[in-house]
Amino acid sequence: EIVVTQSPGTLSLSPGERATLSCRASQSVSSNYLAWYQQKPGQAPRLLIYGASNRATGIPDRFSGSGSGTDFTLTINRLEPEDFAVYYCQQYGSPSTFGPGTKVEIK
Amino acid sequence: QVQLVQSGAEVKKPGASVKISCKASGFTFTRFFFHWVRQAPGQGLEWMGRVNPSDGSTVYAEKLQGRVTMARDTSTNTVYMELNSLRPEDTAMYYCEVITQGAWGQGTLVIVSS
Repeated sequence: EIVVTQSPGTLSLSPGERATLSCRASQSVSSNYLAWYQQKPGQAPRLLIYGASNRATGIPDRFSGSGSGTDFTLTINRLEPEDFAVYYCQQYGSPSTFGPGTKVEIK
Repeated sequence: QVQLVQSGAEVKKPGASVKISCKASGFTFTRFFFHWVRQAPGQGLEWMGRVNPSDGSTVYAEKLQGRVTMARDTSTNTVYMELNSLRPEDTAMYYCEVITQGAWGQGTLVIVSS
């Protein structure tokens, strides 16, 4: 099973700043099957990025994903108030695994 | 539009089973894997397994092997997840998901309590 870790655990930033979130897998992720999600309290997760770098439908272009192999990054440019949430990465090979999440909070 | 609609909340006693449905619409049912994910209160996301609706094949998380069964019904575009021998620690919100469609069900709360 591929173990996925995320860093940092919490990121304290101000609106307008850039957020850089890291996701690392214990083995190479096949075909870059790596997704990023945003989750707010009481809501289901929302897909932001799939295939490591492809924005999902309706996702603003301030969200971007990059990386390959074992190291992946989600970048959020110019944080908006609605971006403060918990972010998860998931490698969706078989079997799949989630990272523990990064909370982006208002500084 | 792409939509996944799950069955309603369940309250079960320890040792019982629960079966949750997830009905899909707005896309070709047999083209994409359906994943099941759960989230215990205040915790992160846990992948449970996935079913290929084209042929019914499944892959389960090692932790749940022997307790979980996933299936599909192509006549109704519905997938199912059954979890047996329930324990209090199975109390969680359960979601179905189709990753590349960006689709999540609304979640089904399962409470396991005596």
